Amino acid sequence: NAGVTQTPKFQVLKTGQSMTLQCAQDMNHEYMSWYRQDPGMGLRLIHYSVGAGITDQGEVPNGYNVSRSTTEDFPLRLLSAAPSQTSVYFCASSYRQFSTDTQYFGPGTRLTVL
Amino acid sequence: ILNVEQSPQSLHVQEGDSTNFTCSFPSSNFYALHWYRWETAKSPEALFVMTLNGDEKKKGRISATLNTKEGYSYLYIKGSQPEDSATYLCALKTSYDKVIFGPGTSLSVIP
Repeated sequence: NAGVTQTPKFQVLKTGQSMTLQCAQDMNHEYMSWYRQDPGMGLRLIHYSVGAGITDQGEVPNGYNVSRSTTEDFPLRLLSAAPSQTSVYFCASSYRQFSTDTQYFGPGTRLTVL
Repeated sequence: ILNVEQSPQSLHVQEGDSTNFTCSFPSSNFYALHWYRWETAKSPEALFVMTLNGDEKKKGRISATLNTKEGYSYLYIKGSQPEDSATYLCALKTSYDKVIFGPGTSLSVIP
């Protein structure tokens, strides 16, 4: 199993550009989520999905879109990049959304918006 | 939004020292508490899941306790080793679909 994969690892954007961060998992997990990690703030939930075709907003959803057309893939779209979106982005998945299900994290994407 | 706090923010200990740090939260209205270990340049990896019955969890030299009444969880490392150097995150499952992470405690073990 590859686990949770993310591409790209690094990305530099100019303000106003759009892009998609890719996330895929091969563990047949139903629950997938996107977090951003900023210094001193821990991981903050952007969007999540409890299954194909179902998505919902997390703590900090503004400026981001997601879709879940398959169980495996959960891309995160930045619609019009802003410097405030400079961060490290992590995708995670778990078997279900049950309380005892631990999350498996991807390697992260470091995004810089100029 | 429920605030999960961790203390201290960072910790430097000598190899062989035992150490502990805290995850605190204002409410017992949650489903489970998770501890993750996050090494530099890697991704967070699960350590423990603590459920509301408050059992102590143990994995080798690392153990964790949960006090739901007082609103805290302790993570203990006995006889710290350099390979224990990492950031330790706690996360609360606050509803069926949401997890709130604390800011983490960064541990450095000096050989």
